[in-house]
Amino acid sequence: GAVVSQHPSRVICKSGTSVKIECRSLDFQATTMFWYRQFPKQSLMLMATSNEGSKATYEQGVEKDKFLINHASLTLSTLTVTSAHPEDSSFYICSATGGQGEGQPQHFGDGTRLSIL
Amino acid sequence: AQSVAQPEDQVNVAEGNPLTVKCTYSVSGNPYLFWYVQYPNRGLQFLLKYITGDNLVKGSYGFEAEFNKSQTSFHLKKPSALVSDSALYFCAVRGQSNDYKLSFGAGTTVTVRA
Repeated sequence: GAVVSQHPSRVICKSGTSVKIECRSLDFQATTMFWYRQFPKQSLMLMATSNEGSKATYEQGVEKDKFLINHASLTLSTLTVTSAHPEDSSFYICSATGGQGEGQPQHFGDGTRLSIL
Repeated sequence: AQSVAQPEDQVNVAEGNPLTVKCTYSVSGNPYLFWYVQYPNRGLQFLLKYITGDNLVKGSYGFEAEFNKSQTSFHLKKPSALVSDSALYFCAVRGQSNDYKLSFGAGTTVTVRA
């Protein structure tokens, strides 16, 4: 149980393109989803927290107009990197939690490797 | 504020030997503690968690972790390591509040040699 599907797994595109990444909870309702960015051999950097039906909460230093997050249903959140540039190249990972029960872990997708040329 | 320290960037062990990955934490109040493993180009896989109760927590793939409140530690252990345990391991903590945000350690790369 607790499977999170993230799509696509890899994207290569030209500078200026907008890229949408989907994160789905397959067998549970995700009241809260998180978006992370991970640089090579580094830990995860939290970008934003999204709750179903409300605006995402962005961490300090993350541009909300650059990284658009939508959490329209209890099983789907999307991250759109708008007008991507080479410095946006990274590994993006989503996670989800059902929020029910004590100490529920976050369950992670397999990540999206974004490469901007 | 909450934080996690993983003091070792790398841990190298021989297959069949015990494996320990260290983690200490800082959080207001009682913690929820987690261990995750990450294989190359993959997301994080949940291994185990501590919420309350027994200090020794057993998880997936033969891993266990011991919660030590006085030392604010949550070290991950496996009695007999496998080559397939070679991966990047993350310890994470959050306080017992409605905020589900986790703080992750920097990660420890485990290499198990045959």
